[in-house]
Amino acid sequence: AQSVAQPEDQVNVAEGNPLTVKCTYSVSGNPYLFWYVQYPNRGLQFLLKYITGDNLVKGSYGFEAEFNKSQTSFHLKKPSALVSDSALYFCAVRVGGNNRLAFGKGNQVVVIP
Amino acid sequence: EAGVTQSPTHLIKTRGQQATLRCSPISGHTSVYWYQQALGLGLQFLLWYDEGEERNRGNFPPRFSGRQFPNYSSELNVNALELEDSALYLCASSLGSHRETQYFGPGTRLLVL
Repeated sequence: AQSVAQPEDQVNVAEGNPLTVKCTYSVSGNPYLFWYVQYPNRGLQFLLKYITGDNLVKGSYGFEAEFNKSQTSFHLKKPSALVSDSALYFCAVRVGGNNRLAFGKGNQVVVIP
Repeated sequence: EAGVTQSPTHLIKTRGQQATLRCSPISGHTSVYWYQQALGLGLQFLLWYDEGEERNRGNFPPRFSGRQFPNYSSELNVNALELEDSALYLCASSLGSHRETQYFGPGTRLLVL
């Protein structure tokens, strides 16, 4: 079954430091991978996606993600974290021909001023 | 351009009642998806509609149902409400089904008492 895993519950980072949120995937065939962010009491905002092509994907708000096929990973990164980046981050994979998204459990990111 | 809109923002019902949640997709989008975000259960896929037809449903009982109208807006109906139906219900839309990004609305928070 297509799935993603986010191994950490919470990521704490100091403002200005690099931010990494980890995601590993398990799929058969080519993976379609996504990152979304959720602020308190809000819906999900799309950050970026990997379909095919370059392994380094650039997205919104300065975020990027690196697709690594050998490690089956799709980690989200930001070179310099802002306090406003504090939110819940979800990794997701499109499941086969059904077009549903299967989400990871989410990572709470806390950026400390 | 307006994003995905959902109504109502909050809904309070008692056990056994019925709830109706509404979603308007981004203009030009033909696919609508429903997800449930319940505490401790993460984001779970509920239903996918495309061009007025139900294309796929998640592992939810039949009392969760919906429809898509000719203008591509959608309703989610939950009959015989149970306490565990309390959750944030998120609607998403996409241009079509293949490889397209799903964009989410702000959600309807349903509380069942």
